[in-house]
Amino acid sequence: EADIYQTPRYLVIGTGKKITLECSQTMGHDKMYWYQQDPGMELHLIHYSYGVNSTEKGDLSSESTVSRIRTEHFPLTLESARPSHTSQYLCASSESGYTGELFFGEGSRLTVL
Amino acid sequence: SQQGEEDPQALSIQEGENATMNCSYKTSINNLQWYRQNSGRGLVHLILIRSNEREKHSGRLRVTLDTSKKSSSLLITASRAADTASYFCAINIGDGAGSYQLTFGKGTKLSVIP
Repeated sequence: EADIYQTPRYLVIGTGKKITLECSQTMGHDKMYWYQQDPGMELHLIHYSYGVNSTEKGDLSSESTVSRIRTEHFPLTLESARPSHTSQYLCASSESGYTGELFFGEGSRLTVL
Repeated sequence: SQQGEEDPQALSIQEGENATMNCSYKTSINNLQWYRQNSGRGLVHLILIRSNEREKHSGRLRVTLDTSKKSSSLLITASRAADTASYFCAINIGDGAGSYQLTFGKGTKLSVIP
């Protein structure tokens, strides 16, 4: 069982609202990631971090932002949600160095009305 | 695209049968990984095979890697209803800057009928 937690699991909000998806891990991993996944589709990397104060954009352009102030915490924020942001957001972490196994959270399913 | 591509997109078998899923990719890799995702849940790592390995086993799972053909296969033997899930391959490419990332395919949706 992976020690990586995402909240909320489900969120339904109206257009224009600001939301923050939380992700925390207790494994002391330096690397953390956010993937976006539409139903039945592949995962797209939208943000990643290799350590505190390190954040990079992934392959898929996203209007969301992330921060990494503490090793264990990697929140994702949408300043003004739109229906096009409706998706599942998956947080993951891995040990530093050579990329091996990713540990995933259970995901946050966001619906923007 | 540098992502792996799974084949078939969907597979339906009877309990007890073997299930084989394939993954093809287009670039040189450091390793290839297989993950499972139950409906509406996060992904769970199944097995990692490095570019210098040809075959790995883990319980009822057998993974092969053919770097000359840029392909991998995942075999689940004696399938169970609990194996019903989507299975994704992920390739680790790495680049000169040392930023190693995983790129996922679209997955194979496996249904095991009791």
